Amino acid sequence: EVQLVESGGGLVQPGGSLRLSCAASGFSFSSYTMNWVRQAPGKGPEWISSISFSSTNKHYANSVRGRFTVSRDNAKTSLFLHMNSLTADDTAFYYCARDITGGHGFQHWGQGALVTVSS
Amino acid sequence: QSVLSQPPSVSAAPGQWVTISCSGSRANVGDNYVSWYRQFPGTAPQLLIYDNNKRPSGIPDRFSGSKSGTSATLGITGLQTGDEADYYCATWDSGLSGVVFGGGTRLTVL
Repeated sequence: EVQLVESGGGLVQPGGSLRLSCAASGFSFSSYTMNWVRQAPGKGPEWISSISFSSTNKHYANSVRGRFTVSRDNAKTSLFLHMNSLTADDTAFYYCARDITGGHGFQHWGQGALVTVSS
Repeated sequence: QSVLSQPPSVSAAPGQWVTISCSGSRANVGDNYVSWYRQFPGTAPQLLIYDNNKRPSGIPDRFSGSKSGTSATLGITGLQTGDEADYYCATWDSGLSGVVFGGGTRLTVL
């Protein structure tokens, strides 16, 4: 069974930094592109980043480019999101997500990690 | 303002049929695969349709997807009260080099 478990969320002051982790299990982690999707309270999902299986290709939404960095450790089957210069607009649940095998669509999601940016 | 446009809400009676539209451009819907998600409060989105019209294992055939040009449509037949949720479309945007989601549609089963 595919499992994705996020951790590292919490309360951070504006301008601060935070690192989220996503522990993956139940599939060949090193074979899949992985994604981060966030959802602010009362809003729809917003894709923010993806990283290819070998870390060669990384993509970011305009809203986080230059502030957030995605990385992965295939040996530890873990995905990371380093977040800097956080603002109130970054307050959201952050999900790691994986495409369905052989297709385009996020079939597997973690339970989400809540990041709250507030003074 | 979302890149993909969805109606804010739709409603229909139990047992009826409803469609939800997702309108974009050539850079997203037109040239890429569309997926659809259902989300209940407090839970992560659930994949209903991928690659425009395919259903993941476990998703009933009451749910269907189609695409024509720069628009995609989710269809739900045999509506149940349990279908009340928020529905989102998503696709890759070649110009933005990222995935974009629609603004979401709240389905009410009257």
